[in-house]
Amino acid sequence: SNVLTQPPSVSVAPGQTARISCGGYNIERKSVHWYHQKPGQAPVLVVFDYSDRPSGIPERISGSNSGNTATLTIARVEAGDEGDYYCQVWDISNDYYVFGTGTKVTVL
Amino acid sequence: QVQLQESGPGLVRPSETLSLTCIVSGGSISTYYWSWIRQPPGKGLEWIGYVYHTGSTSSNPSLGGRVSLSVNPSKNQFSLSLNSVTAADTAVYYCARVSQLVVYGMDVWGLGTAVTVSS
Repeated sequence: SNVLTQPPSVSVAPGQTARISCGGYNIERKSVHWYHQKPGQAPVLVVFDYSDRPSGIPERISGSNSGNTATLTIARVEAGDEGDYYCQVWDISNDYYVFGTGTKVTVL
Repeated sequence: QVQLQESGPGLVRPSETLSLTCIVSGGSISTYYWSWIRQPPGKGLEWIGYVYHTGSTSSNPSLGGRVSLSVNPSKNQFSLSLNSVTAADTAVYYCARVSQLVVYGMDVWGLGTAVTVSS
């Protein structure tokens, strides 16, 4: 499959843990990156290469992978975590990028 | 701190060519890949293509060869041309830096520029 599939939405209470999955596209052989986009703003890279964080991203945001599924975990969710999250891979063999379908995170 | 700024017309006529430029400030355009991404209203992100500082390029095959990418190191900027546009090309267009330091993720983004295709 050439599609990166994410759940359309995730709702979570403040202080709880949100998990967002990203599957398909044979991602176990590729580096997976995650972006957070707040309404009206540009995306921000929050996790790269499955589990590394750029400087300035809090440790409560983490990434992991198991087989053909990558997961972004947001612990101790805050209001500022709301927005859309996208996974992304670089298909090296075909030399192009693919974004996931996106997940809207709502803090209850 | 590297910053990116997209520029170009906000309105393009159907069948014409959409042209955008991204100006890189606070750092050199050398040694990096530079990418374009777009987001139609209410929809997700779509990768358009990238250009390396040497001028080599790659683009999304779903755009049917309508994409042309270029870089101008002397002006520290890079550009996108998308020809034969239709209403489906209406979107916010972002430029972004692709960095080897984050395993070819996109670590710096412009604010985006809205482009509408309409007669």
